[in-house]
Amino acid sequence: NAGVTQTPKFQVLKTGQSMTLQCAQDMNHNSMYWYRQDPGMGLRLIYYSASEGTTDKGEVPNGYNVSRLNKREFSLRLESAAPSQTSVYFCASSEGGLAYEQYFGPGTRLTVT
Amino acid sequence: SQKIEQNSEALNIQEGKTATLTCNYTNYSPAYLQWYRQDPGRGPVFLLLIRENEKEKRKERLKVTFDTTLKQSLFHITASQPADSATYLCALVPTRSGGYNKLIFGAGTRLAVHP
Repeated sequence: NAGVTQTPKFQVLKTGQSMTLQCAQDMNHNSMYWYRQDPGMGLRLIYYSASEGTTDKGEVPNGYNVSRLNKREFSLRLESAAPSQTSVYFCASSEGGLAYEQYFGPGTRLTVT
Repeated sequence: SQKIEQNSEALNIQEGKTATLTCNYTNYSPAYLQWYRQDPGRGPVFLLLIRENEKEKRKERLKVTFDTTLKQSLFHITASQPADSATYLCALVPTRSGGYNKLIFGAGTRLAVHP
């Protein structure tokens, strides 16, 4: 089992460029999440997908879009990158429901210049 | 406002001692509280979950307590080892979060265990 995989590991973008961060899980989990982590702050939820076919906004959704492509894959798109989106992005998955732990990917370190 | 707070200063302890990390929250009524470990350059890894009606949970050298009156969780590592050095994150599940696992994370506390 690979668990949760993310690509790419590192990315540098210029302001205004777009890109898609990819995430896949092989644990047959129902729920998937995208977080960003900034120095001195906790992980903040960008978007989540409680189950295949559904997506909802989290705490900081502005400037991002997501697609739950199938049960395994959940992508995060930056349409027009801004320096404020420089961060480390983590994808996570869980079986779903309140009592389940989340499994995190290794992260994507994104720099927007 | 709703807040979840962990000590931002690093905790430095001697190998073999017990490390105690604190997580305080305000204006939440969490159904569950979770603790994760994060190593530099890696994603968080789940350690323990404790429910609102549980006072204490143990797993090997780890122990978590949950005091809903004090609005606080304590995370203990007994007989600490240098390999325990990492950042520890607490995260809570607000009581009404739609039935799925929506976590609110603290910023984490860095633990350094010295030989």
